Parts: sequence; structure tokens; C-alpha cells
Amino acid sequence: GQNIDQPTEMTATEGAIVQINCTYQTSGFNGLFWYQQHAGEAPTFLSYNVLDGLEEKGRFSSFLSRSKGYSYLLLKELQMKDSASYLCAALDSNYQLIWGAGTKLIIKP
Amino acid sequence: DVKVTQSSRYLVKRTGEKVFLECVQDMDHENMFWYRQDPGLGLRLIYFSYDVKMKEKGDIPEGYSVSREKKERFSLILESASTNQTSMYLCASKLQGAGEVNEQFFGPGTRLTVL
Repeated sequence: GQNIDQPTEMTATEGAIVQINCTYQTSGFNGLFWYQQHAGEAPTFLSYNVLDGLEEKGRFSSFLSRSKGYSYLLLKELQMKDSASYLCAALDSNYQLIWGAGTKLIIKP
Repeated sequence: DVKVTQSSRYLVKRTGEKVFLECVQDMDHENMFWYRQDPGLGLRLIYFSYDVKMKEKGDIPEGYSVSREKKERFSLILESASTNQTSMYLCASKLQGAGEVNEQFFGPGTRLTVL
């Protein structure tokens, strides 16, 4: 079956760095998305990776290893506003998104 | 900016009622989606549509139907609401693209409670 695994909850300190991991098993693979979702709000797009390696976008970076079925989202210089859920989703061979349950990130001062 | 709007943020209905959830997008996207989001579970796809009058079942279509009469509007219908349909419902839209992968844009969600 198809599956996405990510930690349920993580806690980090303001100003620090945090890495949110995601492993996936899908029928075929056409890329991996990360979305941010603040409580009670819509998910918003953060990144898309289809090739191996690290893509940096300001304070946020996303990494993909296709051979390991693994991705991570790296958040630097954490701010209180980064408190949110981070959703990992893989695109399968039919270009359908398989979603993880999300990682709730709690930032402490 | 793409804007996806949903008709209600909060809705309370009784068991057996017919429920309509409306979604409108303003960016001429071909693809539209309905998901439900429950604690501890990932987004689960109910139905999606590639074009006007086109619809495809997602992973959990039972108890739901959809309508897409106009490109910008995608409606989710609960024919006879049940308590296990209490959930957050999210609508999304996406540009079809030619040989490219595009992100989905989400509406703010409708939190439906069925009593």
C-alpha cells in the first residue's frame, strides 16, 4: 500500500533550527510536496522536490532522497509564527497526492 | 493571487439532512478537489474534477457526491448527513499544466458538525 510517515509533534526553541522528516512508500513517484498549515487555516504550499538534493528557499529548505524514500524540511532561525502543522505529500504514478498526517511544530520562546 | 473560497467556515446540521458545500476559485484552474481532514489522519481525497461536468472518485467517495457545472465552482453534496461525516472539509484547485507539476491552492475549510 501507499504510506507517508512523519512525526506527530515536535518542539523547538525560537531562533533554533528544526528538521522535520518524512518517509514515503508510493506506487511510482513524481515528486514530494511540503505544505504549512496554521491552526484553523488552509494549507499553503512551501516546496516541491522531484530531484535528489537540497532546495533552499529563504529560512526553509527541503531535501529529497529518492533512493531512500525520504525527505526533510529544514526550518532555520525559528520564529513564533512558524508554529504550525507541516504536511508532507508524495505524488504517485497517477499524479495523485498521498498525504501524511502532518507534524505539529510547537515553538517555545 | 489565487483565491479559493468556501461558502461557510462553520456548519451544523442534523443527521439525515442534505448538505451542500460550495467552493469557488478565481484563477481559471481546471482541476478541483474535495478533501476531508480529521485529527491524526492525512488529508483524504473524496472527489476531484478535471474539467466542467467531469468528476472522479477519490479514496473515500461513499456518502458524498459532487457537481461541477461551471469551471470556477465545485460543490460537495452529502445526500443524507451522518455523524461520521463530522469533519473539516477542504477544497483545493490546481492548474492542469502541460508536462509540469503544479501545487494545489486550498480554501479556508468548512468545519461541519453533524448532530
